[in-house]
Amino acid sequence: AQTVTQSQPEMSVQEAETVTLSCTYDTSENNYYLFWYKQPPSRQMILVIRQEAYKQQNATENRFSVNFQKAAKSFSLKISDSQLGDTAMYFCAFMKRSGGSNYKLTFGKGTLLTVNP
Amino acid sequence: DADVTQTPRNRITKTGKRIMLECSQTKGHDRMYWYRQDPGLGLRLIYYSFDVKDINKGEISDGYSVSRQAQAKFSLSLESAIPNQTALYFCATSDPGGPNWTGELFFGEGSRLTVL
Repeated sequence: AQTVTQSQPEMSVQEAETVTLSCTYDTSENNYYLFWYKQPPSRQMILVIRQEAYKQQNATENRFSVNFQKAAKSFSLKISDSQLGDTAMYFCAFMKRSGGSNYKLTFGKGTLLTVNP
Repeated sequence: DADVTQTPRNRITKTGKRIMLECSQTKGHDRMYWYRQDPGLGLRLIYYSFDVKDINKGEISDGYSVSRQAQAKFSLSLESAIPNQTALYFCATSDPGGPNWTGELFFGEGSRLTVL
């Protein structure tokens, strides 16, 4: 079974600064997806960014980027120019990309990020 | 209107009561999921369904049952609610596997259940 570990239960950052959230995972699979989801106080789950394991290039979405280290099984999220609206719980998640009934997400326990003015 | 709708949004009930959480979606997705969120534990999978005739247990299915009434509807039931089932429950959908599949799950807004 896959496991996803987020070692930072809480983090804080000043507005306009950069912060990195850590995520490691354990799998024997070679073909998979990794995701970061954001959950603001509204409790809606919002996809921030995704990475396909076979792609070496790190994914980026505007101010959000990842550092994907496949050999180390590490998938960190970097938020640049932090904004107050980035305050949220962030979840790292893993999904196998093989066939059959494996298309389900395994989540980490989350990191609560607070952006301070 | 939201693509994935959960009802009720909030519910308080008593121990021993039967509770049903409903989920409907307009995304046309075959795959539907029920997750439970607890503070400090993240989201854990309760049940999932890949089509109307397919129901699968997740990692924490004890005490829960589901019904896939149609492609668009997936309900979660607690036959006899207990206090440790107090949690935030999410329904999610995903698009069928294929060359353009992104793996993304689309979530409802959550149903907060409190069992007294």
